[in-house]
Amino acid sequence: GQQLNQSPQSMFIQEGEDVSMNCTSSSIFNTWLWYKQDPGEGPVLLIALYKAGELTSNGRLTAQFGITRKDSFLNISASIPSDVGIYFCAGQLLGSGGSNYKLTFGKGTLLTVNP
Amino acid sequence: SQTIHQWPATLVQPVGSPLSLECTVEGTSNPNLYWYRQAAGRGLQLLFYSVGIGQISSEVPQNLSASRPQDRQFILSSKKLLLSDSGFYLCAWSVGTNEQFFGPGTRLTVL
Repeated sequence: GQQLNQSPQSMFIQEGEDVSMNCTSSSIFNTWLWYKQDPGEGPVLLIALYKAGELTSNGRLTAQFGITRKDSFLNISASIPSDVGIYFCAGQLLGSGGSNYKLTFGKGTLLTVNP
Repeated sequence: SQTIHQWPATLVQPVGSPLSLECTVEGTSNPNLYWYRQAAGRGLQLLFYSVGIGQISSEVPQNLSASRPQDRQFILSSKKLLLSDSGFYLCAWSVGTNEQFFGPGTRLTVL
């Protein structure tokens, strides 16, 4: 199936630092989503993006839908210990729609925040 | 508001035993439902999805099956578990959009 390349695979940062992670693909997506997963729990939706160039914030989180529709990034400002977890990007391929709303997921970025 | 439940939360089963995991959604009608497996390597693998009662689409050949006997109930089953079936199983729902909402997951260990 289609692949989303998510990077970095892991990050170790100090509390208070800003974080940036991204997803890229060779295919065009019509939707980009960012999720966070805490250990032993299901992923939680953070931000949804539906338009190329769209920039959306959710508290200290900011995500953008790339102009080319082949990439997206997520920034976290002033990180705190509870930001620890795995962050996943996900998207729906252009033309793969219909009623099933299947998503393609990146492999995740493991974030560790040192207090 | 919508909620999604999965049970059991954890399960330890011997190889060759049957499996039944259940997922139910409250507060919405005619959702799309999804089963994912997450191995220790973190990636989410879509196993099955359903757009309506009795309608099941399989994404990968495997030892598992899914059923949707009611609008908001999704069941993942196996007749004989393999060691490779161990993992974290996640159910998700969506209605009318690409935004999927996940349940708390079931941790399955096959020994």
